[in-house]
Formats: sequence, structure tokens, C-alpha cells
Amino acid sequence: DAKTTQPNSMESNEEEPVHLPCNHSTISGTDYIHWYRQLPSQGPEYVIHGLTSNVNNRMASLAIAEDRKSSTLILHRATLRDAAVYYCILRVGGSQGNLIFGKGTKLSVKP
Amino acid sequence: DGGITQSPKYLFRKEGQNVTLSCEQNLNHDAMYWYRQDPGQGLRLIYYSQIVNDFQKGDIAEGYSVSREKKESFPLTVTSAQKNPTAFYLCASSIWSAGGYTEAFFGQGTRLTVV
Repeated sequence: DAKTTQPNSMESNEEEPVHLPCNHSTISGTDYIHWYRQLPSQGPEYVIHGLTSNVNNRMASLAIAEDRKSSTLILHRATLRDAAVYYCILRVGGSQGNLIFGKGTKLSVKP
Repeated sequence: DGGITQSPKYLFRKEGQNVTLSCEQNLNHDAMYWYRQDPGQGLRLIYYSQIVNDFQKGDIAEGYSVSREKKESFPLTVTSAQKNPTAFYLCASSIWSAGGYTEAFFGQGTRLTVV
């Protein structure tokens, strides 16, 4: 399974945008880029996913590099409720598509 | 409301005992998964199932067993052979689409403690 690399932690101020980076230099053509986040003592929550083009939804935006070797999750205005561990995961398309989790990025949001 | 339900939320087990964790989903999802999470760590895959009556080992299957007799249910048994079972256990489900499996939905987890 292709691996991802994320910073261990990041800090943000409330109401400001947050850019969470992810490197996936060994990504293959059929791998989808998924992002999940996890609050303490809860199950992970789906945030967004994409293949090649940038994606937007009500929670966030996903910017994918042209060579697909990196991506960035963008939270447009961080709130205190966005403080969580964010996981960037590669999911194989057309296959069993198991989600292989790393340690993620712990995002802290300051009021 | 559709969703995925794990029970119980907290579970205590004596050493040497088997214990079964429940996972039920009413999302009509094909695939179901079990993960284990230790403090400060990411999730590790224990078992997964893509279809009824079929399941596959994940990265850390030793000491665990599962069954998939119904599409909506995927119970996990933690056996006495699991040497360090104290952990947070998460169940997930996912649906197949033309592009492969889409987003996964997770339960709220079961925290198992061996006493």
C-alpha cells in the first residue's frame, strides 16, 4: 500500500484558513486521496476525497498537485470544533480499497 | 437514521476470557472493517469483509476472529490468544461504486479494558 507523510502537529487561529499538507510520492494512477478526521474518543469522520481534480464540499476543499504526489486539505475558516487529528489516506480504486491509516496531523485551534 | 452502531461503548474483560464486540449497519454497505487503535496511534486493520460469508485478515489478525453471516452485521471476537487486547476498537463500513469504494462510515467505537 502506498504511504503518506504528514506533519505530526499544526496550530491555527480561529476564523483563519488552515492548510494541511500530505505527501504521497508513491501514489499510483488508481489511488484515491481520502481525508478523515478524528475527535478524541470518537470514530473517524469522512471529510473529502479526490482522484485528480480539486474537490470542494461543505466541510473543506482538497487541492491535488498536478503530479498527484502531494495534496492539501483546506479548511477555509477554522473553528474550535475543527480541532482533531486529520488523516490523509490513499485508497485503491477498483479493489478492496482498504483504508490504511498513518498517525495523522493533530490540529490545534486557538481562540 | 442510517448509520453504524457499535456496542457496548465500554467493555471490561478478565484475562483468559473471550469477548465479542458488536457492529451493525443499516446503510446497505457491502464492505465492513474492524480496526484497533492504541493511545496516540493511528488505526490498524484487523479484519475486513467485502461480502457475506467472506472475510480477510488485515495487518494484525492474530488473536481475533470474525463472522459475516448477514450483510448488516460484522461481530469481532477478541480471544484469549490476543496478548494485549486493551485498546479502542472501531468498526467501519463502505459501499462499492464505479470508482471503487467510496467514503467509509465509522462507528463510535468500543473501549476494551482487560482487568
